[in-house]
Amino acid sequence: RKEVEQDPGPFNVPEGATVAFNCTYSNSASQSFFWYRQDCRKEPKLLMSVYSSGNEDGRFTAQLNRASQYISLLIRDSKLSDSATYLCVVITSGTYKYIFGTGTRLKVLA
Amino acid sequence: DTGVSQDPRHKITKRGQNVTFRCDPISEHNRLYWYRQTLGQGPEFLTYFQNEAQLEKSRLLSDRFSAERPKGSFSTLEIQRTEQGDSAMYLCASSPNPASMNTEAFFGQGTRLTVV
Repeated sequence: RKEVEQDPGPFNVPEGATVAFNCTYSNSASQSFFWYRQDCRKEPKLLMSVYSSGNEDGRFTAQLNRASQYISLLIRDSKLSDSATYLCVVITSGTYKYIFGTGTRLKVLA
Repeated sequence: DTGVSQDPRHKITKRGQNVTFRCDPISEHNRLYWYRQTLGQGPEFLTYFQNEAQLEKSRLLSDRFSAERPKGSFSTLEIQRTEQGDSAMYLCASSPNPASMNTEAFFGQGTRLTVV
């Protein structure tokens, strides 16, 4: 079983739609969580960190559920420019290495 | 440019040749990571350094792969006797010591390796 799992998609949604991605992690010692965005043939870039109480950044909301070991990303009012791959990233306590999920591809359609 | 830089950006090599990639991290970052990414997959962890010390190597890293960070600044990743299966994007990232929560890793633009 992979340490971090995501639905690879693709998710095809119309502009203005709300879309949500989930990610599950297997190591209960995981301590830090992130969503990264990766555009085609580019490097991953931080979208947002995920805090225990949940956090919001504009149209983006991230949630963490430690009991069920998953994190989520909600994108409201999708824009064409949101089309990308969204990578779930986890750091496990004691190792401090960033473990990536497969990524979820999002395509926002006009 | 004060970000993570990688060189070369692209490398085409014949099977069996050796290749070496370089990564220059953000200067105050003491952690440096190497990842490999193939199409449709997320970055796979290869190895990482705390200053000049190599702390962990993935099982993905066969004995044909070696990485160094001799002075705790730039790092090199060498692949000996390349195989077609080595074709991938090799990404380098750096971060401050992530002992504190939610420390971001910054990525370079990657080196795309094609083995023919």
